Amino acid sequence: KQEVTQIPAALSVPEGENLVLNCSFTDSAIYNLQWFRQDPGKGLTSLLLIQSSQREQTSGRLNASLDKSSGRSTLYIAASQPGDSATYLCARRASGSARQLTFGSGTQLTVLP
Amino acid sequence: DAEITQSPRHKITETGRQVTLACHQTWNHNNMFWYRQDLGHGLRLIHYSYGVQDTNKGEVSDGYSVSRSNTEDLPLTLESAASSQTSVYFCASSESRTLNSPLHFGNGTRLTVT
Repeated sequence: KQEVTQIPAALSVPEGENLVLNCSFTDSAIYNLQWFRQDPGKGLTSLLLIQSSQREQTSGRLNASLDKSSGRSTLYIAASQPGDSATYLCARRASGSARQLTFGSGTQLTVLP
Repeated sequence: DAEITQSPRHKITETGRQVTLACHQTWNHNNMFWYRQDLGHGLRLIHYSYGVQDTNKGEVSDGYSVSRSNTEDLPLTLESAASSQTSVYFCASSESRTLNSPLHFGNGTRLTVT
């Protein structure tokens, strides 16, 4: 079974710190990888999507990278703010005809003022 | 602005009843999906549709059905609600037929089956 793992499950950092969230997957046959943010009681908001042919994507203070050979993606958040506090999920879409999307369980981030 | 609207936001029902959760999107997206989110299981795909009159089973489709009569709506029906179906349900949509575009989610429906 395809697995997507996010470690740690929870992370607490002081405001202003740069941080990295990790996402690993067991099957390197990847079509794309997407990072989401989920606030309590809300749906998921798409942050970045990296296609298999890309190495990274950037949006504002966020940078996501993809290393297919090692089965890893990272989400880098620069100069963290309390408003960044949320759960961050990654989702890997497999290549092949089914293109199944598998979600990680997320990292709950708290940025302390 | 385009959006996905789910209704109701909260629903309490009894075991054995039929329940329908609504999902309406104004993105004009071809692809629509239903997920459930549970502690310990993350997000799991229930059913999905790639266009009008197209429906497909996902990972956890037993006890659920969908129909797609237009582009905007994909209602999810629980034919005979069970306590195991207590969960938060999310509807999502995406544009690209090649599935290489971002997923957009609604705010979810919290369903409790008593």
